[in-house]
Order: sequence, then structure tokens, then C-alpha cells
Amino acid sequence: DSGVTQTPKHLITATGQRVTLRCSPRSGDLSVYWYQQSLDQGLQFLIHYYNGEERAKGNILERFSAQQFPDLHSELNLSSLELGDSALYFCASSQRDRGRTQETQYFGPGTRLLVL
Amino acid sequence: KNQVEQSPQSLIILEGKNCTLQCNYTVSPFSNLRWYKQDTGRGPVSLTIMTFSENTKSNGRYTATLDADTKQSSLHITASQLSDSASYICVVSAGTGKLIFGQGTTLQVKP
Repeated sequence: DSGVTQTPKHLITATGQRVTLRCSPRSGDLSVYWYQQSLDQGLQFLIHYYNGEERAKGNILERFSAQQFPDLHSELNLSSLELGDSALYFCASSQRDRGRTQETQYFGPGTRLLVL
Repeated sequence: KNQVEQSPQSLIILEGKNCTLQCNYTVSPFSNLRWYKQDTGRGPVSLTIMTFSENTKSNGRYTATLDADTKQSSLHITASQLSDSASYICVVSAGTGKLIFGQGTTLQVKP
């Protein structure tokens, strides 16, 4: 158990819908990262928040958005869902910022999204 | 273009044998390189993190090497166990703060 929690574990929805994935980082961690893992793409970095502020963006679609709240939990909002958005969405946390630091990121168990 | 390429794509070995996984990268500026182990359907777990100045780092039976000149890294697994069956992902952190992931090597250890 990494200490990072994600809800829900599974989510089935239809195309065109909007969903919200939630992540609670490890106690004391200020950084939250979101990743998407699909079968044909591998793990893709989406976005990084540190203490409520966006710090880095990866391959995140405009239909997706995220935020980190004052209690440090984070939500990833996916809208106008398409079949291709079906994937595992992981959240990870680390204590501080990353980049030049050797910070270990602790991954949550993921949310499996299926868009029908 | 920042890229991380891993080889082989998949590997089958017998329990108790050693194996080496490869990672080549073209990421600039380079910050650090990480190896993760990911069991099917679970989140990745960090094995090693190496910066530019580090050549080798070990974590139990896992030993990672880094050659910053040739931009290559390897992950060596000694005396493999059935529980080593997983995907191994090489990740390079760019100085910009982005993480670039390799496609992973799927390792299967057979009894």
C-alpha cells in the first residue's frame, strides 16, 4: 500500500459524458501527478500540481482538466468522453517538487475508466 | 524530440536466471532516470532513481546502471524469482519537469 488513494476504482460511462476522478496523496506530500495508461500508449504524464499550483503539463487534452485543493487532494475532470479515453488513470504523489530532485513518486492503485 | 526506448519488448526467463533490460533515451535537458516495476493492473513502484553523476544504483536484486555519455541505462535482475514477473518501465525526467516514459519491458519468469 503506497498511501495514495484513488476513487473510484472502476468507472463505466458513455461517450460524451463527463467524469471526475479523485486522488488523495500520502500524508505530508505536496505534489500530485496524474498519468494515463492505455494499452497502446503506455504510461503518459498528464499534469503535475504542487501545493495547489499547476507546475507542469504533459500530454493532457483540452477536454481534460485538473485541480489540487487546499487539503491537497486532487481531481481530474474528463469531459466529452471518447472511446479512446478508456484507460487506467494513475495518480502519484511526492513530498516536494520534482525535476532535479531525486524524489520517489508513490503511485495509487489507479482508476479504470471504460467509455462505451 | 524527447524519447525513451526500451528493449526487449518482452522477455521470458527461467526462475533463478539473471536478465538485463535496456533503456536508451534522447531527453534534453536530462535531470534523472528512474526504473519502475509495474505488476498487472497495479500502480508502478519505484526501483531506482539516478542522476547524471551516478553510474550504478542497487535495490536488492535489482541493479541499474547509467551511461550519461551514450544515454543508455540498464536494469539487471539477479537470481530471478516468480514475483519478478511484471512490466519494467524506464522513465527519464527532463529539466523542464516533464517525465518521459518508455513503453516498458514485460518480463515473465517461469518455474
